[in-house]
Amino acid sequence: DQQVKQNSPSLSVQEGRISILNCDYTNSMFDYFLWYKKYPAEGPTFLISISSIKDKNEDGRFTVFLNKSAKHLSLHIVPSQPGDSAVYFCAASDSGGGADGLTFGKGTHLIIQP
Amino acid sequence: DGGITQSPKYLFRKEGQNVTLSCEQNLNHDAMYWYRQDPGQGLRLIYYSQIVNDFQKGDIAEGYSVSREKKESFPLTVTSAQKNPTAFYLCASSPDSNQPQHFGDGTRLSIL
Repeated sequence: DQQVKQNSPSLSVQEGRISILNCDYTNSMFDYFLWYKKYPAEGPTFLISISSIKDKNEDGRFTVFLNKSAKHLSLHIVPSQPGDSAVYFCAASDSGGGADGLTFGKGTHLIIQP
Repeated sequence: DGGITQSPKYLFRKEGQNVTLSCEQNLNHDAMYWYRQDPGQGLRLIYYSQIVNDFQKGDIAEGYSVSREKKESFPLTVTSAQKNPTAFYLCASSPDSNQPQHFGDGTRLSIL
């Protein structure tokens, strides 16, 4: 049973527009959420995180929104750039910052069109 | 440069042989993790270690073993008991439980 779901395997967005990647979770014990970006044949790179005590966290072009009642989070990238083309993974933890490991979604392949 | 080093990048082994994947970090991080990624799938936790000489099973530990004799090293052995070992293996570390994990560049294991 998947506890972290990314229902869109791929997403195509025009350069300069907003990219919105979505993630749903089922485990109400999750209290820390992260987004990672991954290029082929490389390890994931940490992008941004959010604790369950917040509903928004912003870092430059990246903003993560958390809706605890809906068990939903989203990553907004604005404006989208060609270098943003990658697979984005949503991850969650029920042990603070992830001490006992993270639970990952299957990823969304973001394609930025010129 | 500080970071996490996984070696080798590609590894081929015959069926029935044990194989050990290396993970070294010079970040002075206490916690280290091993994940496995299959095509079209997310990462799944194999083993993790929060401190030297201690480690815990993750979600898919069967057929794998680890050791944590040194803070900077967390090798993963894929044993012959692992029924489908061909995958992309990722090692990660974090300084403490409230910091995000940082990943190495992975080892792609293929069983011939």
